[in-house]
Amino acid sequence: GQQVMQIPQYQHVQEGEDFTTYCNSSTTLSNIQWYKQRPGGHPVFLIQLVKSGEVKKQKRLTFQFGEAKKNSSLHITATQTTDVGTYFCAGRIGNQFYFGTGTSLTVIP
Amino acid sequence: EAQVTQNPRYLITVTGKKLTVTCSQNMNHEYMSWYRQDPGLGLRQIYYSMNVEVTDKGDVPEGYKVSRKEKRNFPLILESPSPNQTSLYFCASRRSPGQGARGYTFGSGTRLTVV
Repeated sequence: GQQVMQIPQYQHVQEGEDFTTYCNSSTTLSNIQWYKQRPGGHPVFLIQLVKSGEVKKQKRLTFQFGEAKKNSSLHITATQTTDVGTYFCAGRIGNQFYFGTGTSLTVIP
Repeated sequence: EAQVTQNPRYLITVTGKKLTVTCSQNMNHEYMSWYRQDPGLGLRQIYYSMNVEVTDKGDVPEGYKVSRKEKRNFPLILESPSPNQTSLYFCASRRSPGQGARGYTFGSGTRLTVV
């Protein structure tokens, strides 16, 4: 079964609106990574979170790792058309990384 | 340029005809993995390798084989492909914890169709 759940599956936003995607695991994660995949492309690593409660920012992107290390979120402020793509989380359990199902973001100009 | 190279990019084959998808990385990464991507299912791990001659099954290993005879190469072998193996395949590599582990670097993908 799916080890890491991600919601929503799809999100359409007007340009300038905010966007958030959430990942949840029933198992404690060693760390969590986030990736972005542009349409027709391959996943590209964005960031890794390791510590409980960790928050990291990359320009308009804010990443959080839950206190229990079972959930994480990615928030984009004031979306732009360049943010279009599918965002994946990947949680580490043992020696494996389990990817979420991804959230496909469409930004309407 | 640091990269993961997989070939071919596109492949159409017939049921039962053995095929190999090659993967090579030039970053001296110890970890390599194969994933398949299907709509609504995200990325599912097929096999992974933590170092030369060390391979382990991922979530969906049935119908696939891998080998890791040297650090840079990690080919994916389909001995007898079936239509349910039609998918987009990604090879990926990353540093081990001892190398200062970070995220995966993915190849450009191989779109396989089995008819």
